[in-house]
Amino acid sequence: DTAVSQTPKYLVTQMGNDKSIKCEQNLGHDTMYWYKQDSKKFLKIMFSYNNKELIINETVPNRFSPKSPDKAHLNLHINSLELGDSAVYFCASSPHTDLYYNEQFFGPGTRLTVL
Amino acid sequence: AQSVTQPDIHITVSEGASLELRCNYSYGATPYLFWYVQSPGQGLQLLLKYFSGDTLVQGIKGFEAEFKRSQSSFNLRKPSVHWSDAAEYFCAVSNNAGNMLTFGGGTRLMVKP
Repeated sequence: DTAVSQTPKYLVTQMGNDKSIKCEQNLGHDTMYWYKQDSKKFLKIMFSYNNKELIINETVPNRFSPKSPDKAHLNLHINSLELGDSAVYFCASSPHTDLYYNEQFFGPGTRLTVL
Repeated sequence: AQSVTQPDIHITVSEGASLELRCNYSYGATPYLFWYVQSPGQGLQLLLKYFSGDTLVQGIKGFEAEFKRSQSSFNLRKPSVHWSDAAEYFCAVSNNAGNMLTFGGGTRLMVKP
């Protein structure tokens, strides 16, 4: 069974559209994350949720809205897509927020291409 | 704020040769440091981590890393590289609260037969 899954794996869309990426973890973890990896492979955290509550928001434009309906899911909705949003988006989860004692498990990524 | 630099964007080694990937960090206190590996088309996997204690830490897949405070470095090593080690390697440091990682730019490792 896949521990952290993301759908879709690939997403190609036009500028200005609204799209969502879904993430689910079946590990029973309390904490979930969204990361963005740009074309130069730079990986940067966007959001972190613990028990469905937002705990980290790293100056992400408000066109990006994470939603956590329950502890096992953290979806990412993006409004008015721009060319610069093209990237690979990774979801991750960890048992709790302390990352030294709690390993992060990453999903396979969603490659978003905005045309 | 914390930061991480990986000076080498690409490294190519021959299979069976030794490997060292460099990582330099900037952080005021004793850092939490991590190495992750990303295989093509995959998410990241934790190789090893350091917080305190023995400055030489062992990880999975035969990797080790050494923390050197005087050099602000946390270099990753492997004595004998296998073709399956070809991947992207990321060094990371956590923030004060320990709940957020800042990643370096990554080093792409290629392995020659």
